[in-house]
Amino acid sequence: AQKVTQAQTEISVVEKEDVTLDCVYETRDTTYYLFWYKQPPSGELVFLIRRNSFDEQNEISGRYSWNFQKSTSSFNFTITASQVVDSAVYFCALSDVNQFYFGTGTSLTVIP
Amino acid sequence: EAQVTQNPRYLITVTGKKLTVTCSQNMNHEYMSWYRQDPGLGLRQIYYSMNVEVTDKGDVPEGYKVSRKEKRNFPLILESPSPNQTSLYFCASSPLGSPNTEAFFGQGTRLTVV
Repeated sequence: AQKVTQAQTEISVVEKEDVTLDCVYETRDTTYYLFWYKQPPSGELVFLIRRNSFDEQNEISGRYSWNFQKSTSSFNFTITASQVVDSAVYFCALSDVNQFYFGTGTSLTVIP
Repeated sequence: EAQVTQNPRYLITVTGKKLTVTCSQNMNHEYMSWYRQDPGLGLRQIYYSMNVEVTDKGDVPEGYKVSRKEKRNFPLILESPSPNQTSLYFCASSPLGSPNTEAFFGQGTRLTVV
């Protein structure tokens, strides 16, 4: 069975600090995709990144970076120099041919 | 503009009164699905559809029905809503017959059953 675990329920950081959101997944599939979504207070889900299981390259997009390690089944997300606008709930997800499997989310609060 | 549209955005209803939440996408996507989001549980899939007239249960289908008569529409039906169906609901669509590429999510429907 597929499973995604986000052990950090809530995180608070002071503005400009770096923060890493952890994501650990379980699957027996060899082909799968991993995602991160942001859910701001307004409630919509904003797509951040997709990574397939054959691509372990880390990715950087502005202040955001992602570290995918198959050896530890982790797909962690780091925000550098956090800003108040980063305050949101962040979901990690894994997809197979049928559906998405979401973690329970990490609520990030950036304090000015 | 490519989008997934859900209606209504907010709904308060009473126990047992049948309701339908509509979902429509304008991207000609084959795959559509419904999720519910509850505190501490993340998003859980209710039903999904890989194409017209093809639907299947997700992880929490009890109390819900769906239909896929046209490619663009995937309504969620609650025949007899109960308070435990109070939740935030999301509809999603994906280009191919599975969600592996990316899911485009609707804005969400906040349902309260009293």
